[in-house]
Amino acid sequence: QKEVEQNSGPLSVPEGAIASLNCTYSDRGSQSFFWYRQYSGKSPELIMSIYSNGDKEDGRFTAQLNKASQYVSLLIRDSQPSDSATYLCAVNAGRDSGGGADGLTFGKGTHLIIQP
Amino acid sequence: DGGITQSPKYLFRKEGQNVTLSCEQNLNHDAMYWYRQDPGQGLRLIYYSQIVNDFQKGDIAEGYSVSREKKESFPLTVTSAQKNPTAFYLCASRHTSGSYNEQFFGPGTRLTVL
Repeated sequence: QKEVEQNSGPLSVPEGAIASLNCTYSDRGSQSFFWYRQYSGKSPELIMSIYSNGDKEDGRFTAQLNKASQYVSLLIRDSQPSDSATYLCAVNAGRDSGGGADGLTFGKGTHLIIQP
Repeated sequence: DGGITQSPKYLFRKEGQNVTLSCEQNLNHDAMYWYRQDPGQGLRLIYYSQIVNDFQKGDIAEGYSVSREKKESFPLTVTSAQKNPTAFYLCASRHTSGSYNEQFFGPGTRLTVL
C-alpha cells in the first residue's frame, strides 16, 4: 500500500514567520510531488510542484525534495493570515509503468494556522 | 472562461438511489479523474480516464461507475451498491503530453445520503 504521511497539526505560526510543512512517502518509485492548499469547504488548489531533488522557489513558497530520504517539504515565508488552510501533499506513486496520468496519492493534510 | 466545472454543488440522495455527478472541462486536457474526500482525510482515487472511451479503476471503485464518451466530460455515477456515499467528490484533469503531471481540480460536489 503506497502511503503519504503528514502531521495533521494544527501547526500554529505567527504572522510574518516561516511555516514549515513536511511530508514523507513510501514508494521509492515516485516521480512527481505536489503541494495543494485547501480552504475549508473548498477544493484543493495547486501551489507547488517539484520533480527533482533540491529546492524550487515560487514567490513566498519553496518546495524541497529529497528522494533518498523520501521526504518533501513546503516552506512559506512571511506567513500571512490568508495562508491559514489545510495543505495537502500529493505524490504520483507510479501505479502503472507509464507513470503520469494514473492518479495521485494524497496525505491527510496539515492544518496550518497563521496567528495575527 | 477556461476551467473545470462540477454540478450540482450539493446533492442529496435517498438510500437505494443512483445519482450522477457531472464534470466538464474546457482546458483540452486528455486525462480526467474522480476523487473522494471524507472529513479529515486525504483524497482517494475512484476512477481515471486517459483517453475517450477508456477508463481505469482507482483505489476505491466499488459502488461507482463512469463513462468517457467525450473528451470534455467525465460523469460519475454513485450507485446504490456504494455503502457509504456521503462525501465531497472532486473531479480533476491534466494534460498527458509532456513530462509534467499537474492536476487541477473542479469546485467539487458535496453528496449527502438522507
